[in-house]
Amino acid sequence: DAKTTQPNSMESNEEEPVHLPCNHSTISGTDYIHWYRQLPSQGPEYVIHGLTSNVNNRMASLAIAEDRKSSTLILHRATLRDAAVYYCILGYNAGNMLTFGGGTRLMVKP
Amino acid sequence: EAGVAQSPRYKIIEKRQSVAFWCNPISGHATLYWYQQILGQGPKLLIQFQNNGVVDDSQLPKDRFSAERLKGVDSTLKIQPAKLEDSAVYLCASSLVSLELYNSPLHFGNGTRLTVT
Repeated sequence: DAKTTQPNSMESNEEEPVHLPCNHSTISGTDYIHWYRQLPSQGPEYVIHGLTSNVNNRMASLAIAEDRKSSTLILHRATLRDAAVYYCILGYNAGNMLTFGGGTRLMVKP
Repeated sequence: EAGVAQSPRYKIIEKRQSVAFWCNPISGHATLYWYQQILGQGPKLLIQFQNNGVVDDSQLPKDRFSAERLKGVDSTLKIQPAKLEDSAVYLCASSLVSLELYNSPLHFGNGTRLTVT
């Protein structure tokens, strides 16, 4: 199974951009890169996903390295509600099965 | 759109007792998943259903865990008998079926927190 590596925790100031890194050096050519986040006492929530090109949606942007061995989730202006655990996951060919690692706990300071 | 519904929200049982969790996925979602999330860890997939058929249950401890999805809609996950190490949050998720399956995001419920004493 292709694995991802993320920092255990990060801190950010409110209203500043946040860059959450993820390394996935063993990614296969057809693996999508997914990001989910989990707020306290809730189930994970889909954030964004991509294959090769950078992606933007209303929640965040995803920057994917040219060799696809790393990616960065960008929150353009962090709010207190963005405090959560962020998971970077590789999507397998065989369907939607996603294996979650430990994720990055993002703390946002007012 | 209504989200994934799970019940109960909390459950406390003694070891060796039985427990069941219920999940109602988003209407029209053919794929349903059960995950186990131990405190401080990421969710771990237990079983995946496509309609009422099992796609993958390789990580389900079949000596004590069972799951079913009758009629391809609701699902139940059962533990019998429970062990202390089963204390965790049990998450249900669902997703649409699409030609590019890995493009279809998962929608999670808020889970059932199980404490085994």
